[in-house]
Amino acid sequence: AQSVTQLDSQVPVFEEAPVELRCNYSSSVSVYLFWYVQYPNQGLQLLLKYLSGSTLVKGINGFEAEFNKSQTSFHLRKPSVHISDTAEYFCAVRHFGNEKLTFGTGTRLTIIP
Amino acid sequence: ETGVTQTPRHLVMGMTNKKSLKCEQHLGHNAMYWYKQSAKKPLELMFVYNFKEQTENNSVPSRFSPECPNSSHLFLHLHTLQPEDSALYLCASSQDLKVVNTEAFFGQGTRLTVV
Repeated sequence: AQSVTQLDSQVPVFEEAPVELRCNYSSSVSVYLFWYVQYPNQGLQLLLKYLSGSTLVKGINGFEAEFNKSQTSFHLRKPSVHISDTAEYFCAVRHFGNEKLTFGTGTRLTIIP
Repeated sequence: ETGVTQTPRHLVMGMTNKKSLKCEQHLGHNAMYWYKQSAKKPLELMFVYNFKEQTENNSVPSRFSPECPNSSHLFLHLHTLQPEDSALYLCASSQDLKVVNTEAFFGQGTRLTVV
């Protein structure tokens, strides 16, 4: 069974500081990985995705993530956060040959002015 | 206009009411989903449709009844709900269930409050 773990339920960060949101997945086969962002009272919006190729993936709003197969991780990073980045961030995984998209429990990112 | 549109955005209903949530996608996708998002709980997949056929029902109570008349529209019919059913209901679509290297696109959700 596929699963996703987001260890940090809340991450407070000062404005203009860097941030890393952690995501680990369990799988014995090839995976496709996604990060979504949810702003207050909104649906989920895709930030970036890893399908194949380069392990460093760049997304919207200055975010990037690195796929690490040996550590089964797909951590999300941004070098300098803004107030507008305040939102909930969800990691998701889909295994090759599996139709289901499995989400983590989410990490709430709070930016401190 | 977003690719996936949900109406209404907010709904308050009594436990004896019958209401429906509507989802429409303009992306030419063939797979559609209903998710439930409750406070402090993981996103729960409720139903999945592919080419109008239901492919998954995650043990959802019968007071939730989905309907998919075509690949562009998805409904969730609600009746005799409980207060614990209050949540954000999200609709999503994707190209096709068999095309796994694509993402799902989400609507903005319907905030449901059962009183």
